[in-house]
Amino acid sequence: DTAVSQTPKYLVTQMGNDKSIKCEQNLGHDTMYWYKQDSKKFLKIMFSYNNKELIINETVPNRFSPKSPDKAHLNLHINSLELGDSAVYFCASSQNRPNEQFFGPGTRLTVL
Amino acid sequence: EDQVTQSPEALRLQEGESSSLNCSYTVSGLRGLFWYRQDPGKGPEFLFTLYSAGEEKEKERLKATLTKKESFLHITAPKPEDSATYLCAAPYSGAGSYQLTFGKGTKLSVIP
Repeated sequence: DTAVSQTPKYLVTQMGNDKSIKCEQNLGHDTMYWYKQDSKKFLKIMFSYNNKELIINETVPNRFSPKSPDKAHLNLHINSLELGDSAVYFCASSQNRPNEQFFGPGTRLTVL
Repeated sequence: EDQVTQSPEALRLQEGESSSLNCSYTVSGLRGLFWYRQDPGKGPEFLFTLYSAGEEKEKERLKATLTKKESFLHITAPKPEDSATYLCAAPYSGAGSYQLTFGKGTKLSVIP
């Protein structure tokens, strides 16, 4: 059983397009996160979402928006993609923050 | 500003050659120091949480320790399968206090 899953695993798209990445967790956790890992492998928090409370890292452009249809899902929508958005995006979840986080396998986004 | 700094950036060891990885932090009111392992092409995998100075935790060949200013990940008699990037992280001290700030990681290579 996959604890945290993401789709797609790879996403290649043109500049200016809008795309979404889906994340689902089956752990019953109450908090979900999105991270960006750049080409230098630096992992940086973008959002956390807990009981409808959204915390946005101040460096995240407003082209990025998380959407949570229910407690088990936190999708990432990106408008007007730019070259600098190319990275690996990880979804994670945890219970009883702060606590150990379980990460998904990542989505490698390439913007051409 | 909350910061987590890891050293060295990369470490090559012969199989069986013990060593330590360092994680120093400047997070006020530390509420946990987390260690993760990341294999290429995968999401980080949780290893340990340490909450107070003097605390130690072990898992197979790994032992994590914590002081008031830094944490060490000791690797005893490593094997090639221990090769990975090791990340440490701490919760932010301010808003979004369950969000983690990660260090840039130490890439460990264990040579047979």
